[in-house]
Amino acid sequence: NAGVTQTPKFRVLKTGQSMTLLCAQDMNHEYMYWYRQDPGMGLRLIHYSVGEGTTAKGEVPDGYNVSRLKKQNFLLGLESAAPSQTSVYFCASSASMATYTGELFFGEGSRLTVL
Amino acid sequence: QKEVEQDPGPLSVPEGAIVSLNCTYSNSAFQYFMWYRQYSRKGPELLMYTYSSGNKEDGRFTAQVDKSSKYISLFIRDSQPSDSATYLCAMSHGLIQGAQKLVFGQGTRLTINP
Repeated sequence: NAGVTQTPKFRVLKTGQSMTLLCAQDMNHEYMYWYRQDPGMGLRLIHYSVGEGTTAKGEVPDGYNVSRLKKQNFLLGLESAAPSQTSVYFCASSASMATYTGELFFGEGSRLTVL
Repeated sequence: QKEVEQDPGPLSVPEGAIVSLNCTYSNSAFQYFMWYRQYSRKGPELLMYTYSSGNKEDGRFTAQVDKSSKYISLFIRDSQPSDSATYLCAMSHGLIQGAQKLVFGQGTRLTINP
């Protein structure tokens, strides 16, 4: 029961470098999300997807791009990393359901440091 | 002003104590209220979910929502060292195209001392 798997778990980048975070879920969930977690700020939504081939902006999308080419995968890209993007990134997924439950299933996080 | 405010703590209490965690919010359109628990170096996991105002109990945990005051609480009875974690409140208007767009509080770090 892997659930939501994020790779890599840790990464150090220099300012201006690019990278991609990969999220994979094995629960056949329709919806996927990328959040960032910073001290004193809580979790903030970056981008989300309501299905394969679709993406939408969240609360803090600037500097990030995403793609959902396959239902089980959701990629988060940083084209030109900045120190302000130093954070812990969480991927989450949720099922399609008629009744709202508020339940998101989170991965264990990817810790990114931009020097 | 943040939409959801939560005292970040840290909060440290002895084992067996009753713990009260709270959040306030400014958006009256929020209808769904959740508490997530996050252990160190792990992702959050859903602990409690309530809709609109009222109380909900699950074992040692009780969630309260007071929409008139825009205030939600989580009570933990007979607290255990295994309850030591960061507790995040979250809320939303509901499903948007089926997606659950949650707004989170900052999280309160709780330590239960044996």
